[in-house]
Amino acid sequence: AQSVTQLGSHVSVSEGALVLLRCNYSSSVPPYLFWYVQYPNQGLQLLLKYTSAATLVKGINGFEAEFKKSETSFHLTKPSAHMSDAAEYFCAVSGTGGFKTIFGAGTRLFVKA
Amino acid sequence: DADVTQTPRNRITKTGKRIMLECSQTKGHDRMYWYRQDPGLGLRLIYYSFDVKDINKGEISDGYSVSRQAQAKFSLSLESAIPNQTALYFCATSDPRDNTDTQYFGPGTRLTVL
Repeated sequence: AQSVTQLGSHVSVSEGALVLLRCNYSSSVPPYLFWYVQYPNQGLQLLLKYTSAATLVKGINGFEAEFKKSETSFHLTKPSAHMSDAAEYFCAVSGTGGFKTIFGAGTRLFVKA
Repeated sequence: DADVTQTPRNRITKTGKRIMLECSQTKGHDRMYWYRQDPGLGLRLIYYSFDVKDINKGEISDGYSVSRQAQAKFSLSLESAIPNQTALYFCATSDPRDNTDTQYFGPGTRLTVL
């Protein structure tokens, strides 16, 4: 069985500060891991994904995430927050063979001026 | 034009009414999904379809039904809407050739049941 836990339903940072959104997963098979972002009044869009090619994954808009098997984690980071990063972020996991994707509960990121 | 579209974008209805939410895609993907999003619960899978003849229940299918009219169209129906079905509904697609199951989402339908 697969599951995803996102630590913190809300995270608030100042503009220019480090963004760290936490995700831990559980999977009985080698996982594929994702971060999706949802901007206000929009659907989810892929930010980045881990497919075992490299443990450090770079995504759009300066975000990156590191797969740590020993910690079963896939935390999302960005060195310097921008106001436009305010959104809800979802971590997700799928197993090898693809199906099916399980989503975390989401973390809403607030960026203060 | 958007690859995955949903209609309507917003809908207010009354308890007991039948409602249909529609989804169309131009990505050419065989797999389509319906999710509902509730605050603090993330996305939960209602139904999914791997092709026109293959429809499966997700984790919260009670009170919902679906129809896959064509590869590009997947509709979600609430036969008799109830207030706890008030939520944001998303349609998504994925390509079976993509082993990772990366999903592509529509803009969502905000449904309110009074």
